[in-house]
Amino acid sequence: GENVEQHPSTLSVQEGDSAVIKCTYSDSASNYFPWYKQELGKRPQLIIDIRSNVGEKKDQRIAVTLNKTAKHFSLHITETQPEDSAVYFCAASKGNTPLVFGKGTRLSVIA
Amino acid sequence: EAGVAQSPRYKIIEKRQSVAFWCNPISGHATLYWYQQILGQGPKLLIQFQNNGVVDDSQLPKDRFSAERLKGVDSTLKIQPAKLEDSAVYLCASSLVSQGETQYFGPGTRLLVL
Repeated sequence: GENVEQHPSTLSVQEGDSAVIKCTYSDSASNYFPWYKQELGKRPQLIIDIRSNVGEKKDQRIAVTLNKTAKHFSLHITETQPEDSAVYFCAASKGNTPLVFGKGTRLSVIA
Repeated sequence: EAGVAQSPRYKIIEKRQSVAFWCNPISGHATLYWYQQILGQGPKLLIQFQNNGVVDDSQLPKDRFSAERLKGVDSTLKIQPAKLEDSAVYLCASSLVSQGETQYFGPGTRLLVL
C-alpha cells in the first residue's frame, strides 16, 4: 500500500522567513496530494491541495509543488507569521484508496 | 454550510469498558471516514463508508472495533472492550464523493482509557 514520508518532524523559523516541508510517496498511482494544518487540540484544516496533472499551485503565501517523477511534493510558506505555528500534515491518495498521511511537521514561527 | 459534527468531544473510560462515538457528516456528503490519531502522529484510517456501505475496513481492529452507517447519513464507531492503547483522538471526516476529493474533518473525540 501507499507510504508517505514527511520531513522534517520539527521546524523552527524566524518570523518573515520561509518554511519548506517535504513529503515523498511510494505509490506512483497516487494522484491527489492535500496539506492539512492542525493547531493544538483542533481539527485538521485543509490549506492547499494539488492533483497529479498540475506541477505547482499557489494561494497567497502558501504554495505546493509536485514532482511525479521523483514522487515527492513540498509545501512552501513564505513570509511566515506566528499564527502559522501548527502541525502540518501531507497526505496522498489515488482513485480507489483513502488518504494516507505523513507523520506531521511541527512548525514554530519565532517572533 | 454546517461542518462535520462529532460527539462527545471528550471521554474517559477504564480499560475493558465500552464506548461509542457519533458523527454527522456535512449534508450531501456520500463518503464518511473514521480516523484514529494517536498523539504525535498523523491520522490513520479505520473505516470508510460510501453511503451506507463499507468501502475499506482493512485497518479496523474488528475484534474490538465496530462501525455502522445504517441510513447512509450519520455514523457510530464503537470500541468494546477498550484497551489502554486505544487512547487517541477519533476523527470523522466526510467528502462529496470517494477518494481524490477534499475531506472535511470534524472536531474529533478525545478518548482516554485508564
